[in-house]
Amino acid sequence: GQQVMQIPQYQHVQEGEDFTTYCNSSTTLSNIQWYKQRPGGHPVFLIQLVKSGEVKKQKRLTFQFGEAKKNSSLHITATQTTDVGTYFCAGPRNNNDMRFGAGTRLTVKP
Amino acid sequence: GAGVSQTPSNKVTEKGKYVELRCDPISGHTALYWYRQSLGQGPEFLIYFQGTGAADDSGLPNDRFFAVRPEGSVSTLKIQRTERGDSAVYLCASSPTWTGAAGTEAFFGQGTRLTVV
Repeated sequence: GQQVMQIPQYQHVQEGEDFTTYCNSSTTLSNIQWYKQRPGGHPVFLIQLVKSGEVKKQKRLTFQFGEAKKNSSLHITATQTTDVGTYFCAGPRNNNDMRFGAGTRLTVKP
Repeated sequence: GAGVSQTPSNKVTEKGKYVELRCDPISGHTALYWYRQSLGQGPEFLIYFQGTGAADDSGLPNDRFFAVRPEGSVSTLKIQRTERGDSAVYLCASSPTWTGAAGTEAFFGQGTRLTVV
């Protein structure tokens, strides 16, 4: 069945450094969503990408959807301590639900 | 309510006991999802409701797990004969329609942390 894989599993950066997490699907996705989960919290929706090659920005965050709609990335420029958390990508399976990747856990050293 | 509400926030139960976890979705949201999240893992899909009916229950791990949503609003996840391996955070999410639709995000509750001892 459809699987969503994320790399890396963990990323530790110095404050001010950039950070990127990658998401790959075994099948073509109609759309992909990104969520952030702070330690001890619940997943919070960040963005959804729908179009092939789509790029969206939210302040220091840049989201990309691959041309083949099988991969996506989230890039954070100049990380801050408030960026700490786990970032999940999620893709729809059978148009009924979102299947989540294992996430990339980001820690930021001040 | 303002968001998705889950009760209890924490539940400790003995192995073999029966538990019920409640989810109160955002008013008007027709789609409701249950996920299970173990430490260091992403949310694992369990079941999806569209209205009152279970549109997809393929994620339920075995017949000890069952969920209902009798009036299309509040949902209850029921686990019989609990096992230590059932220990996890159970997350509920709701959305205006199914999340496969473009432009539809899922709103998560705070989760119920279930510990089976």
